[in-house]
Amino acid sequence: NAGVTQTPKFQVLKTGQSMTLQCAQDMNHEYMSWYRQDPGMGLRLIHYSVGAGITDQGEVPNGYNVSRSTTEDFPLRLLSAAPSQTSVYFCASRTLQGNHTFGSGTRLTVV
Amino acid sequence: SQKIEQNSEALNIQEGKTATLTCNYTNYSPAYLQWYRQDPGRGPVFLLLIRENEKEKRKERLKVTFDTTLKQSLFHITASQPADSATYLCALDGDDYKLSFGAGTTVTVRA
Repeated sequence: NAGVTQTPKFQVLKTGQSMTLQCAQDMNHEYMSWYRQDPGMGLRLIHYSVGAGITDQGEVPNGYNVSRSTTEDFPLRLLSAAPSQTSVYFCASRTLQGNHTFGSGTRLTVV
Repeated sequence: SQKIEQNSEALNIQEGKTATLTCNYTNYSPAYLQWYRQDPGRGPVFLLLIRENEKEKRKERLKVTFDTTLKQSLFHITASQPADSATYLCALDGDDYKLSFGAGTTVTVRA
């Protein structure tokens, strides 16, 4: 089992560019989520999905878009990158027992 | 607003001693409380989950307590080892599956 796979691991964007962070899980988990992690602030929820075709906003959704066409994939789109979106992004899926499995993260720098 | 506080940003202890980390929360009624470990450059890794009707949970050298009256969880690492050095995150999970995280406590175990 690969668990939760995120690509790319590193990315540098120019202000105003768009890109998609990929997330895939092979555990057949219904619930998936995206977090961003900034120094001293902990992980903050961006968007989440309770199943294919269903998405909802978390704590900090502005500037991001998600879709969930399959159970396995949950991509995060940055519509027009801003320096404030420089962060480390983590995708996670939730097991039936309640714990979450995280990917290894994408470190994004917006210049 | 909801708030999750972990008692200190950093904790330095001698090998073999017990590390005790605190997680306090306000304006929240979690169904679960979870602890994760995060190493530099990696995603959080699940350690323990405790439910609102449980007082204590153990896993090897780890112990978690959960006091819903005090709105506090204590996380203990007994017989600590240098390999236990990492950042430990407290997370609360309501009935909606969304995890809210504290900022974390970085533990350094000196040999």
